[in-house]
Amino acid sequence: SQQGEEDPQALSIQEGENATMNCSYKTSINNLQWYRQNSGRGLVHLILIRSNEREKHSGRLRVTLDTSKKSSSLLITASRAADTASYFCATSSRTDSWGKLQFGAGTQVVVTP
Amino acid sequence: DTEVTQTPKHLVMGMTNKKSLKCEQHMGHRAMYWYKQKAKKPPELMFVYSYEKLSINESVPSRFSPECPNSSLLNLHLHALQPEDSALYLCASSQPGTAVAEAFFGQGTRLTVV
Repeated sequence: SQQGEEDPQALSIQEGENATMNCSYKTSINNLQWYRQNSGRGLVHLILIRSNEREKHSGRLRVTLDTSKKSSSLLITASRAADTASYFCATSSRTDSWGKLQFGAGTQVVVTP
Repeated sequence: DTEVTQTPKHLVMGMTNKKSLKCEQHMGHRAMYWYKQKAKKPPELMFVYSYEKLSINESVPSRFSPECPNSSLLNLHLHALQPEDSALYLCASSQPGTAVAEAFFGQGTRLTVV
């Protein structure tokens, strides 16, 4: 079963705007990761935040993690048409040693020029 | 080389066929995974191999049979599949036993069962 839930399910914005999506999870985690998937392709790792971190930046990406609320957010600043994709959060459970990932339902982002 | 290579990219097979999906990585990762993804859904874990041993089988039907010949290769043997098995099959690899293991995914095999 998927333990991560994401909202919104879909997001449509114009180039230059910021895109924010949220992820909630249920169990204690080692880390939380965000992946991007272009239509019908493989997943590309974007950023990983450890359970003892609260915020992380990578280029135009900003991720926050609130372990007390079991939630995370991904912010993409100054979006581009090339950011059009599905975005998934994925958690690694604290009790798992195999690197098993539980994915959220995903947010489909469309950036129009 | 940070690539995970999957072949074939597309596969159409009949319900009586036997086929195999292949996955290869040369990053020295000792954990490899098969995920199944239906349209507009997140990936779902099928199998985990760690140090070439099957570590997790998420109650996958026996018509799917994984194999890990060595630390770089992962196969998924398919036999007597059903149309509902049509999906994108993703292979991934990572380094096991660490709390900061990002997974690297291949581009997937788009499987259609007719």
